[in-house]
Amino acid sequence: RKEVEQDPGPFNVPEGATVAFNCTYSNSASQSFFWYRQDCRKEPKLLMSVYSSGNEDGRFTAQLNRASQYISLLIRDSKLSDSATYLCVVNTGASGTYKYIFGTGTRLKVLA
Amino acid sequence: NAGVTQTPKFRVLKTGQSMTLLCAQDMNHEYMYWYRQDPGMGLRLIHYSVGEGTTAKGEVPDGYNVSRLKKQNFLLGLESAAPSQTSVYFCASSPPTGRHNQPQHFGDGTRLSIL
Repeated sequence: RKEVEQDPGPFNVPEGATVAFNCTYSNSASQSFFWYRQDCRKEPKLLMSVYSSGNEDGRFTAQLNRASQYISLLIRDSKLSDSATYLCVVNTGASGTYKYIFGTGTRLKVLA
Repeated sequence: NAGVTQTPKFRVLKTGQSMTLLCAQDMNHEYMYWYRQDPGMGLRLIHYSVGEGTTAKGEVPDGYNVSRLKKQNFLLGLESAAPSQTSVYFCASSPPTGRHNQPQHFGDGTRLSIL
């Protein structure tokens, strides 16, 4: 089993739709969680950190479910510019732990 | 506000040539990383450093060497380039990961082709 797993997609959705991605992780000691966005042939860019109580940033909502060991990303009112690959990243957070574990990403295509 | 800067952006090498990729960060981050990204493979960690003067191997270190002589710089070297090292290389930095929710910050990548 991979340490971090994501559905590769693509998720094809019309503009204005709501779309959600899940990401499962295997290490129950994981403490830090992030969603990154990566455009084709560009660097990953931090979209948002994921906090235990869940958090929202505009049209984006992230949630953490420790019991089932997954995080989710909800995008409301999708825009064409949201088309990208979304990477789930997990870190145990222990001092000196270098290891950020990346999922292989979920591709989103928002269609006009 | 430069963040993480990688040079060069593009390079074409012949098999057997050597080169060094430079990563510089101005955020005073302790940790720095080198990744490669290949189609369908996701990001794979090559080497990392938790502080000036220290380096360690990641998942795919073979064929690469690194050095961290200054806190702000992390160099990735290819001693004898091979076609299998054709990839996009990303450098990243972060504060010490003992502090929760400290994300990595990435440079914009180096596209390397080995002929």
